[in-house]
Order: sequence, then C-alpha cells, then structure tokens
Amino acid sequence: DIQMTQSPSALSACVGDTVIITCRASQSISNELAWYQQKPGKAPNLLISEASNLESGVPSRFRGSGSGTEFTLTISSLQPDDFATYYCQQYSIYSLTFGPGTKVDVK
Amino acid sequence: EVQLVESGGGLVHPGGSLRLSCAASGFTFSDYYMDWVRQAPGKGLEWVARTRNKPHSYTTEYAASVKGRFTISRDDSKKSLYLQMNSLKTEDTAMYYCVRGAYCSGGRCPGPFDIWGQGTMVIASS
Repeated sequence: DIQMTQSPSALSACVGDTVIITCRASQSISNELAWYQQKPGKAPNLLISEASNLESGVPSRFRGSGSGTEFTLTISSLQPDDFATYYCQQYSIYSLTFGPGTKVDVK
Repeated sequence: EVQLVESGGGLVHPGGSLRLSCAASGFTFSDYYMDWVRQAPGKGLEWVARTRNKPHSYTTEYAASVKGRFTISRDDSKKSLYLQMNSLKTEDTAMYYCVRGAYCSGGRCPGPFDIWGQGTMVIASS
C-alpha cells in the first residue's frame, strides 16, 4: 500500500497568515492526489483534485501543487472559516489512502 | 441537489453483523464508482471499500482491514449503495460515510471523493 504522510500534524496560525501543509507519498502517484477540509462533526469537503485543480466554489486562497511524491496545500490570507483539519488522499493505487491530517487552529 | 443519505448504523456486539444503506439523489448514480469511508472517533479517515459501475462489471475493492468480513454492493435501479458488515470488531467502531467516487464510462477512472453523505455511526461494543 502507498503510505501518505503529512507535515506538520498541527499548526497554530492567525487570520491573514499564509499556511503551507506538505503531503508525501511513499511512491509516485503522478498527480492523483486530493485535498479535503473537515470541520468538527461534519463530513469532509473536497477542496482540490488532481493535485492542483480547485473544485467549484472553493475560494482561490487555496492552492495545491506538486506531482510524483511531494505535494503542498497553501492557504493564503487565512480566514476564520479555514480553521479545520486538512487531509490529503491518493487515488492512484489501491488501497486508496489518506494522510493522517493536519489540524489548523487559532494562535 | 446532489445528495447521499446513509442509514443503518447502530450498536452491535462484537462478532455481530450490520447492514448500512446509502440513498443517492440528484445525479446519475450508475455513472459513478461508489465507496465507503470511515472515521473512528477522534481519528483520521480510512477508505473501506469501492464498487465500480457497470462498464467495469461492478467489480469491488476492499481495505485489508475489512476484506473477507465486509461486502459492498449497489442497486442502480434503486440508486442505492450498501455495506454488509459481518464479524464486527471493536476497532470497526466509526462514523461510516457513503461517498461518490469517479465518473466512469470505461477505461481507467481515477478520481477523488467529491460528494459525501452525513455519515452513520457504527458502535461495536459489548
């Protein structure tokens, strides 16, 4: 199975900050990577697919990049609604796998 | 409105069985792969199972942790997805989400989980 890692596991930030989350795959997955946002008590929400393709309705302050084994999610000018947990997920090879998550909270 | 609504969760003794259902609406169900994803309390997300659609003969995939105990199935005429869970273990306790996978009309169809249900809670405990 492909192992997904994320760093950091948690971070504290202020409104207006730029946040960068890194996701690494244990082998190449091309660009077959998604990012999800999850708030407490809610189902995850798809933000980005194909590593860098912003889903409809997702604010442009979210940006995804990378290919192969290393990927990043950048949130520019962090807004109050962005405090949440973020997961990456590879959909290239079975078993489909998620990263362990990065919790973004208020500094 | 595109929607997935799960049902069937509850409390079950270890070793017992449970069947989850998911009703889809607002999209052409038969065009998509469908999956189950779970989340144990306070933990991360874990993909559980996939059923492909008719162009791929409704073939299935499972996570190693559930293979041989869980069975995913679908009924395109009812726009419904199911998860039969047997020999439940305490570590199967989780919120189970019905999710829409890739649109697929044939060939290789990689894709993210773009639509999620609200989840149904399964508790395996004595």
